[in-house]
Amino acid sequence: AQSVSQHNHHVILSEAASLELGCNYSYGGTVNLFWYVQYPGQHLQLLLKYFSGDPLVKGIKGFEAEFIKSKFSFNLRKPSVQWSDTAEYFCAVTRYGGSQGNLIFGKGTKLSVKP
Amino acid sequence: DSGVTQTPKHLITATGQRVTLRCSPRSGDLSVYWYQQSLDQGLQFLIHYYNGEERAKGNILERFSAQQFPDLHSELNLSSLELGDSALYFCASNPELAGNNEQFFGPGTRLTVL
Repeated sequence: AQSVSQHNHHVILSEAASLELGCNYSYGGTVNLFWYVQYPGQHLQLLLKYFSGDPLVKGIKGFEAEFIKSKFSFNLRKPSVQWSDTAEYFCAVTRYGGSQGNLIFGKGTKLSVKP
Repeated sequence: DSGVTQTPKHLITATGQRVTLRCSPRSGDLSVYWYQQSLDQGLQFLIHYYNGEERAKGNILERFSAQQFPDLHSELNLSSLELGDSALYFCASNPELAGNNEQFFGPGTRLTVL
């Protein structure tokens, strides 16, 4: 069965620090990859997605992620975090093609940014 | 605003009761997904409907059921509620059957079972 692992449960950074959140998935076939963000009390919003092509994907708010197929990884990065980035971040996958489009989520990483 | 609406926003009920959560997808989206977010289980897929038909089931309990109506809105019915059913329930929509597209999430319904 597909699964998604996020290595860090809670990350605490100071403003302007660089961020990297790890995500690994297990699935032998082709996948679509997503990072969603959930700000406190709000719904999930898409940060970025990868379906095919350039493995370095740029998203909103200065976030980017790199798909490394050989490592089954899709790590999220941001060079300089802001206090407003405090949120929970979820990595997710869907199977490419087929008839099942449900997202498989990781457990999430809480990011706290100190001003 | 994602264009997906969910009602009610909050629901407080007692064990053994039955509740219905409602979701209206974005205009034109045929797929509706239901997810449960709880502290211990994280975000889990429950069920997927496409154009009125059930397409996939995830970790959905037998006490839970869903349907999608001709106007494409969906309802999730939770019965014989237990304390452990307290969670945030999200629905999401996208235009297609498969996963090659972004899912747009609603604001969620927070269910508290006392």
